[in-house]
Amino acid sequence: DGGITQSPKYLFRKEGQNVTLSCEQNLNHDAMYWYRQDPGQGLRLIYYSQIVNDFQKGDIAEGYSVSREKKESFPLTVTSAQKNPTAFYLCASSPEKSSGNTIYFGEGSWLTVV
Amino acid sequence: AQSVTQLGSHVSVSEGALVLLRCNYSSSVPPYLFWYVQYPNQGLQLLLKYTSAATLVKGINGFEAEFKKSETSFHLTKPSAHMSDAAEYFCAVSASTGGFKTIFGAGTRLFVKA
Repeated sequence: DGGITQSPKYLFRKEGQNVTLSCEQNLNHDAMYWYRQDPGQGLRLIYYSQIVNDFQKGDIAEGYSVSREKKESFPLTVTSAQKNPTAFYLCASSPEKSSGNTIYFGEGSWLTVV
Repeated sequence: AQSVTQLGSHVSVSEGALVLLRCNYSSSVPPYLFWYVQYPNQGLQLLLKYTSAATLVKGINGFEAEFKKSETSFHLTKPSAHMSDAAEYFCAVSASTGGFKTIFGAGTRLFVKA
């Protein structure tokens, strides 16, 4: 089946550690996104990529990094510089770089700092 | 620039009653508007979208929304609530020209009472 696969579903991070969340899509979509979801705040855009080897910061990029070496993959690294990383993280993709396109979401990953 | 406001972070209805979830938008250009649904611990999925065709848009699971330019609204309705409709609903807007970012509202959690 076509879709977006995020892994792991649950991840625990110790203070000072970097962790990487995986996102793979087999929908042949050009654009990919990472969102952070906190209760009562909706979705906030962390990074997005419109094409391979290119990406842009979203609204809350500080403390995060990404790469887009392949069209189907867009991993997110949560660095130790992110002071409050506990949240639900959603990876998404859309068919083209234009507006009006439906965004397709993965199942999400829960990150907890312990 | 675009923004979206969802009125009411929580809405509770009885099974069989009308569902009305409110969304108002702001956009400097003609907007594209979306409603997404999120079930617990999952990603978002598209319910319906408006892209400047018919102002009354029908979506999945019996939901519909009406684009009202004069009121800058895109409220989501369903005539008769079902227990399975309990979820969080997000209104979103993107610009029809000049950019492709999608802006999400804070979400409205729908509770359905038996």
